[in-house]
Amino acid sequence: DVKVTQSSRYLVKRTGEKVFLECVQDMDHENMFWYRQDPGLGLRLIYFSYDVKMKEKGDIPEGYSVSREKKERFSLILESASTNQTSMYLCASQKASAYEQYFGPGTRLTVT
Amino acid sequence: SQQGEEDPQALSIQEGENATMNCSYKTSINNLQWYRQNSGRGLVHLILIRSNEREKHSGRLRVTLDTSKKSSSLLITASRAADTASYFCATDESNYQLIWGAGTKLIIKP
Repeated sequence: DVKVTQSSRYLVKRTGEKVFLECVQDMDHENMFWYRQDPGLGLRLIYFSYDVKMKEKGDIPEGYSVSREKKERFSLILESASTNQTSMYLCASQKASAYEQYFGPGTRLTVT
Repeated sequence: SQQGEEDPQALSIQEGENATMNCSYKTSINNLQWYRQNSGRGLVHLILIRSNEREKHSGRLRVTLDTSKKSSSLLITASRAADTASYFCATDESNYQLIWGAGTKLIIKP
């Protein structure tokens, strides 16, 4: 079974803090994704990566950056957290030749 | 960008009844996927239907696709309490990007 793990289930940070969310997958998938999920808005793509050190902006990249130094690990960075970044953050991975995405359990981030 | 729209937004039925959820989308697609999300957790892939398919089954799940109407439906037969979850459709905008609907919240009453 594919396993995608995220570093924290719940996180509380203060406005202005730098926040790191980590995601690790164990199936050697080429593609990895970061989404945020807000009520009534579905999933919105922040960034994705199709290879080590490669990244592409999604629909809402502003205020976020990512890092993929190893194939299995994809990090999301909030450079200076703001209250409007309070949300559920979901990481997913995908084999390059397939359509199905595998998700981690999510990190519920609260910025106060 | 938001493409899929699920309908209804919420659905509450008795255990044992069938549940039907609909998804509409805006542009041409290669395939459409349905995912389930249990309360406050990650999503799990349920089923994928390709644009050249009209119907697909997986256990108690039946998915239909009407490309002329740009719509899909997910039918869960003989519902169980464990089916209580939110259900999302996702269409492919590119090889990398899925476009997600806002989801249907399904509650199965015992």
